[in-house]
Amino acid sequence: DADVTQTPRNRITKTGKRIMLECSQTKGHDRMYWYRQDPGLGLQLIYYSFDVKDINKGEISDGYSVSRQAQAKFSLSLESAIPNQTALYFCATSDSGVSSYNEQFFGPGTRLTVL
Amino acid sequence: GDSVTQMEGPVTLSEEAFLTINCTYTATGYPSLFWYVQYPGEGLQLLLKATKADDKGSNKGFEATYRKETTSFHLEKGSVQVSDSAVYFCALNNFGNEKLTFGTGTRLTIIP
Repeated sequence: DADVTQTPRNRITKTGKRIMLECSQTKGHDRMYWYRQDPGLGLQLIYYSFDVKDINKGEISDGYSVSRQAQAKFSLSLESAIPNQTALYFCATSDSGVSSYNEQFFGPGTRLTVL
Repeated sequence: GDSVTQMEGPVTLSEEAFLTINCTYTATGYPSLFWYVQYPGEGLQLLLKATKADDKGSNKGFEATYRKETTSFHLEKGSVQVSDSAVYFCALNNFGNEKLTFGTGTRLTIIP
């Protein structure tokens, strides 16, 4: 079984719709992240959470919100989707222990298309 | 701030060729360095890492050495295979800045 799962894997929606992407992990990690990948831009950090009560904005948080429902679950919402949010979205986790060096483990990604 | 600069792609090589993908970084202090690989249709997977100067990370025939004097972490493989076709990302984590900083990725295609 995958350690980091994302649902849905693919989603097509229309401008103005509210969308939620979900991430679950069985690794027991306390830290979780949401990234966006666009061609030629690498990965950009949207939000990250170091525990259930700790949520932080990343580089490109405008237009997005998140919820950390439990240590194992971290969801990303687009309140009113727009076409330039069409991208590949990744969830990742890491352990806060010093010996982890913040090695991150990624989910398979969600491909979102906003028409 | 921290940054990672990678060799621009795409890179196309013949099977059994020697591979180098350049990566240089800018960071204060002593970051940890990583190479991640993304196979088609999949998420990123850690390929190798190095946590201090002169460390060599290695995995699946790939190697990279942490060179603090040149702020580099170039990825090498002596003989590539078609199955190595993927996008490769260099990344760093600076102690006290609990986020990974990624390069833009290099797409590698190996032809038989």
